[in-house]
Amino acid sequence: DQQVKQNSPSLSVQEGRISILNCDYTNSMFDYFLWYKKYPAEGPTFLISISSIKDKNEDGRFTVFLNKSAKHLSLHIVPSQPGDSAVYFCAASDGSARQLTFGSGTQLTVLP
Amino acid sequence: ETGVTQTPRHLVMGMTNKKSLKCEQHLGHNAMYWYKQSAKKPLELMFVYNFKEQTENNSVPSRFSPECPNSSHLFLHLHTLQPEDSALYLCASSQRGENSNQPQHFGDGTRLSIL
Repeated sequence: DQQVKQNSPSLSVQEGRISILNCDYTNSMFDYFLWYKKYPAEGPTFLISISSIKDKNEDGRFTVFLNKSAKHLSLHIVPSQPGDSAVYFCAASDGSARQLTFGSGTQLTVLP
Repeated sequence: ETGVTQTPRHLVMGMTNKKSLKCEQHLGHNAMYWYKQSAKKPLELMFVYNFKEQTENNSVPSRFSPECPNSSHLFLHLHTLQPEDSALYLCASSQRGENSNQPQHFGDGTRLSIL
C-alpha cells in the first residue's frame, strides 16, 4: 500500500496562472516533506521542502503547504511558466529512518 | 564536476551478462543511495550507505550487489538479471545528521534494458 499518493497523474495549466499539485500521505510518523521536479532524461531535482513544525514554506514562485491533520501537502507555483513543465514528485521521510518515500508523480504541462 | 554523476547513461545487457553501474558524488555528502524507477511506478529505494556502511537493503534480490568503497563512490554490480529488472536506476546522495533533515540530490540515472 502506497504511503505517499499523488492522485492526479497529469495537470495542464495556462502560462501565468497558478499550478497546484497535491499529495496525500498515510504515515503519521512522516515529519519532513519534499518536492522534486524531473525533466525527461534527467534525474529528479530538489525543489522545496517543509518540516512538520511548519505549515508553509515559500521560495520564490514555489510555496509548499502542509496540513498535518489532513495528512496533505500541496505545491503552488505562481505564476506558472512553460519551463515548469515536468513531472513533480512529492516525497516524505520519518525522523528515525530518514529514508524517502516517493509518490508516483504528476506531469505538469504549462501551456503558452 | 559538480553534483552526482552516473555512468553509463544507457546500458543494454543480456540476462547472463555481468555489468556495473557507477555513481560519484562531488557534494561532500556522507550518505549514498540506489533507487529503481520502473514505468508508472514510484521510485523504490534499494540500498542506503551511511559513512560507507550499508544501513538498508530493501529486500533487493542478490543479483544486485552494491559496493561503496568510499563516501564519494557507489557501484551497483549486476549479474544474471531478469527482463523485469529493466528500469531507470538512480543514485542519490545526502548529508545525514543526527537531528537534521537534508534533501537527497540525484544523478541523471542509468537506463537499463535487459534482453
